[in-house]
Amino acid sequence: KAGVTQTPRYLIKTRGQQVTLSCSPISGHRSVSWYQQTPGQGLQFLFEYFSETQRNKGNFPGRFSGRQFSNSRSEMNVSTLELGDSALYLCASSLDRGSDGYTFGSGTRLTVV
Amino acid sequence: AQSVSQHNHHVILSEAASLELGCNYSYGGTVNLFWYVQYPGQHLQLLLKYFSGDPLVKGIKGFEAEFIKSKFSFNLRKPSVQWSDTAEYFCAVNGLGSYIPTFGRGTSLIVHP
Repeated sequence: KAGVTQTPRYLIKTRGQQVTLSCSPISGHRSVSWYQQTPGQGLQFLFEYFSETQRNKGNFPGRFSGRQFSNSRSEMNVSTLELGDSALYLCASSLDRGSDGYTFGSGTRLTVV
Repeated sequence: AQSVSQHNHHVILSEAASLELGCNYSYGGTVNLFWYVQYPGQHLQLLLKYFSGDPLVKGIKGFEAEFIKSKFSFNLRKPSVQWSDTAEYFCAVNGLGSYIPTFGRGTSLIVHP
Protein backbone atom coordinates (compact mmCIF):
# COMPACT_ATOMS: atom_id res chain seq x y z
CA LYS A 1 0.00 0.00 0.00
CA ALA A 2 1.14 3.56 -0.61
CA GLY A 3 2.89 5.28 2.28
CA VAL A 4 2.30 8.67 3.78
CA THR A 5 2.82 11.33 1.13
CA GLN A 6 3.91 14.83 1.98
CA THR A 7 4.15 17.69 -0.46
CA PRO A 8 6.13 19.66 -1.24
CA ARG A 9 9.44 18.07 -0.23
CA TYR A 10 11.28 21.38 -0.02
CA LEU A 11 10.20 24.97 0.45
CA ILE A 12 12.04 28.25 0.76
CA LYS A 13 10.04 31.15 2.10
CA THR A 14 10.72 34.66 3.27
CA ARG A 15 10.04 35.93 6.76
CA GLY A 16 6.49 37.16 7.10
CA GLN A 17 5.09 34.93 4.40
CA GLN A 18 2.74 32.05 5.02
CA VAL A 19 3.02 28.45 3.92
CA THR A 20 0.73 25.45 3.51
CA LEU A 21 1.98 21.89 3.73
CA SER A 22 0.03 18.84 2.65
CA CYS A 23 -0.15 15.27 3.89
CA SER A 24 -1.97 12.26 2.48
CA PRO A 25 -2.13 9.44 5.02
CA ILE A 26 -2.12 5.75 4.36
CA SER A 27 -5.45 4.59 2.98
CA GLY A 28 -7.75 3.71 5.87
CA HIS A 29 -5.80 5.72 8.43
CA ARG A 30 -8.01 8.36 9.99
CA SER A 31 -5.57 9.92 12.43
CA VAL A 32 -2.98 12.39 11.17
CA SER A 33 -0.40 13.98 13.43
CA TRP A 34 2.11 16.68 12.63
CA TYR A 35 5.54 17.09 14.15
CA GLN A 36 8.26 19.70 13.82
CA GLN A 37 11.78 18.24 13.75
CA THR A 38 14.83 20.38 14.43
CA PRO A 39 18.37 19.40 15.43
CA GLY A 40 18.10 21.21 18.73
CA GLN A 41 14.61 20.21 19.85
CA GLY A 42 14.08 16.85 18.20
CA LEU A 43 10.47 15.99 17.33
CA GLN A 44 7.94 18.39 18.77
CA PHE A 45 4.24 17.58 18.52
CA LEU A 46 2.15 20.16 16.69
CA PHE A 47 -1.36 18.71 16.45
CA GLU A 48 -3.41 15.64 15.71
CA TYR A 49 -6.51 15.37 13.58
CA PHE A 50 -9.07 12.60 13.53
CA SER A 51 -12.23 12.58 11.43
CA GLU A 52 -11.77 16.22 10.45
CA THR A 53 -11.48 17.36 14.08
CA GLN A 54 -8.42 18.57 15.89
CA ARG A 55 -8.15 16.16 18.76
CA ASN A 56 -4.89 17.27 20.35
CA LYS A 57 -2.67 20.30 20.13
CA GLY A 58 0.93 20.84 21.14
CA ASN A 59 2.63 23.90 22.53
CA PHE A 60 2.98 26.01 19.44
CA PRO A 61 1.74 29.55 18.80
CA GLY A 62 -1.51 30.22 16.98
CA ARG A 63 0.45 30.93 13.78
CA PHE A 64 0.50 27.16 13.36
CA SER A 65 -2.81 25.73 12.30
CA GLY A 66 -4.14 22.75 10.45
CA ARG A 67 -7.14 20.99 9.14
CA GLN A 68 -8.25 17.62 7.91
CA PHE A 69 -10.55 16.85 5.03
CA SER A 70 -13.20 14.18 4.71
CA ASN A 71 -10.77 11.93 2.81
CA SER A 72 -8.37 12.18 5.81
CA ARG A 73 -5.87 14.30 3.91
CA SER A 74 -4.47 17.01 6.11
CA GLU A 75 -2.89 20.40 5.67
CA MET A 76 -0.95 22.54 8.05
CA ASN A 77 -0.48 26.24 7.69
CA VAL A 78 2.10 28.53 9.20
CA SER A 79 1.43 32.25 8.96
CA THR A 80 3.82 35.14 9.45
CA LEU A 81 6.87 32.92 9.10
CA GLU A 82 9.85 33.46 11.37
CA LEU A 83 13.44 32.31 10.90
CA GLY A 84 12.95 29.87 13.76
CA ASP A 85 10.24 28.06 11.85
CA SER A 86 12.90 26.53 9.61
CA ALA A 87 12.57 22.82 10.23
CA LEU A 88 11.54 19.48 8.84
CA TYR A 89 7.78 19.08 9.21
CA LEU A 90 6.69 15.50 9.54
CA CYS A 91 3.28 14.02 9.08
CA ALA A 92 2.40 10.69 10.66
CA SER A 93 -0.70 8.62 10.19
CA SER A 94 -2.23 5.85 12.22
CA LEU A 95 -5.48 3.91 12.41
CA ASP A 96 -6.39 5.63 15.64
CA ARG A 97 -4.40 7.13 18.49
CA GLY A 98 -1.12 5.71 17.25
CA SER A 99 -1.55 2.67 19.44
CA ASP A 100 0.13 0.53 16.83
CA GLY A 101 2.82 3.08 16.12
CA TYR A 102 2.94 5.75 13.48
CA THR A 103 3.75 5.64 9.79
CA PHE A 104 5.70 8.75 8.90
CA GLY A 105 6.02 10.63 5.67
CA SER A 106 9.36 11.86 4.34
CA GLY A 107 8.63 15.35 5.53
CA THR A 108 8.67 18.85 4.11
CA ARG A 109 11.92 20.75 4.62
CA LEU A 110 10.99 24.39 5.20
CA THR A 111 13.67 27.05 5.09
CA VAL A 112 12.75 30.58 6.08
CA VAL A 113 15.14 33.28 4.91
CA ALA B 1 7.46 17.32 33.63
CA GLN B 2 6.81 14.23 31.56
CA SER B 3 9.82 13.56 29.40
CA VAL B 4 11.82 11.03 27.44
CA SER B 5 15.59 11.07 27.71
CA GLN B 6 18.11 9.58 25.37
CA HIS B 7 21.41 10.08 27.06
CA ASN B 8 23.65 9.12 24.16
CA HIS B 9 23.44 11.86 21.55
CA HIS B 10 26.19 10.54 19.32
CA VAL B 11 27.55 7.01 19.18
CA ILE B 12 30.37 5.86 16.92
CA LEU B 13 31.07 2.15 16.56
CA SER B 14 32.99 -0.19 14.33
CA GLU B 15 31.20 -2.96 12.47
CA ALA B 16 30.53 -6.06 14.58
CA ALA B 17 30.55 -4.07 17.82
CA SER B 18 27.60 -4.43 20.17
CA LEU B 19 25.15 -1.60 20.56
CA GLU B 20 23.07 -0.38 23.44
CA LEU B 21 21.18 2.92 23.29
CA GLY B 22 19.57 4.21 26.43
CA CYS B 23 16.04 5.52 26.79
CA ASN B 24 14.46 6.63 30.05
CA TYR B 25 11.10 8.23 30.68
CA SER B 26 9.51 9.99 33.57
CA TYR B 27 6.00 8.69 34.18
CA GLY B 28 4.69 6.20 36.71
CA GLY B 29 1.65 4.93 34.86
CA THR B 30 1.05 2.51 32.02
CA VAL B 31 3.07 3.29 28.93
CA ASN B 32 3.53 2.07 25.39
CA LEU B 33 7.10 2.24 24.14
CA PHE B 34 8.56 2.54 20.67
CA TRP B 35 11.86 2.82 18.89
CA TYR B 36 11.98 4.50 15.50
CA VAL B 37 14.89 4.69 13.09
CA GLN B 38 15.64 7.35 10.49
CA TYR B 39 18.20 6.27 7.90
CA PRO B 40 20.01 9.07 6.03
CA GLY B 41 17.62 10.67 3.59
CA GLN B 42 14.74 8.42 4.55
CA HIS B 43 11.61 8.75 6.63
CA LEU B 44 11.18 7.62 10.21
CA GLN B 45 10.36 3.92 10.45
CA LEU B 46 9.06 1.90 13.34
CA LEU B 47 11.78 -0.46 14.60
CA LEU B 48 9.92 -2.14 17.44
CA LYS B 49 7.24 -1.53 20.04
CA TYR B 50 6.20 -2.70 23.48
CA PHE B 51 2.67 -2.70 24.82
CA SER B 52 2.54 -5.50 27.37
CA GLY B 53 3.74 -9.02 28.07
CA ASP B 54 7.32 -10.16 27.59
CA PRO B 55 9.51 -7.15 28.41
CA LEU B 56 12.09 -8.27 25.85
CA VAL B 57 10.86 -7.17 22.46
CA LYS B 58 12.38 -8.17 19.15
CA GLY B 59 12.15 -5.89 16.15
CA ILE B 60 13.34 -5.74 12.60
CA LYS B 61 16.95 -6.05 11.44
CA GLY B 62 18.11 -7.89 14.56
CA PHE B 63 17.26 -5.13 17.02
CA GLU B 64 15.72 -5.81 20.41
CA ALA B 65 14.74 -3.72 23.39
CA GLU B 66 14.12 -4.48 27.02
CA PHE B 67 11.51 -2.75 29.13
CA ILE B 68 12.58 -2.45 32.75
CA LYS B 69 9.64 -0.93 34.57
CA SER B 70 11.50 -0.34 37.83
CA LYS B 71 14.10 1.71 36.00
CA PHE B 72 11.65 3.47 33.64
CA SER B 73 13.90 2.35 30.82
CA PHE B 74 13.53 0.88 27.35
CA ASN B 75 17.03 0.38 26.00
CA LEU B 76 17.70 -0.65 22.42
CA ARG B 77 20.28 -3.34 21.72
CA LYS B 78 21.90 -5.12 18.82
CA PRO B 79 24.65 -7.72 19.33
CA SER B 80 26.59 -6.89 16.16
CA VAL B 81 26.08 -3.67 14.20
CA GLN B 82 26.59 -3.23 10.50
CA TRP B 83 27.56 -0.19 8.46
CA SER B 84 23.96 -0.06 7.20
CA ASP B 85 22.77 0.60 10.76
CA THR B 86 24.13 4.12 10.50
CA ALA B 87 21.07 6.22 11.28
CA GLU B 88 19.33 8.32 13.88
CA TYR B 89 17.37 6.41 16.51
CA PHE B 90 14.41 7.82 18.41
CA CYS B 91 12.73 6.47 21.48
CA ALA B 92 9.05 7.37 21.91
CA VAL B 93 6.67 6.86 24.79
CA ASN B 94 2.95 7.39 24.98
CA GLY B 95 0.78 7.18 27.99
CA LEU B 96 2.63 10.06 29.56
CA GLY B 97 -0.75 11.52 30.45
CA SER B 98 -1.80 11.19 26.79
CA TYR B 99 -1.76 8.73 23.94
CA ILE B 100 0.24 11.26 21.93
CA PRO B 101 3.81 9.94 21.94
CA THR B 102 6.62 12.00 23.32
CA PHE B 103 9.87 11.52 21.46
CA GLY B 104 13.37 11.61 22.79
CA ARG B 105 15.84 13.91 21.05
CA GLY B 106 17.41 11.04 19.18
CA THR B 107 20.77 9.30 19.07
CA SER B 108 22.94 9.57 16.00
CA LEU B 109 24.71 6.28 15.34
CA ILE B 110 27.66 6.08 12.96
CA VAL B 111 29.06 2.66 12.17
CA HIS B 112 32.47 2.54 10.55
CA PRO B 113 33.08 -0.33 8.12
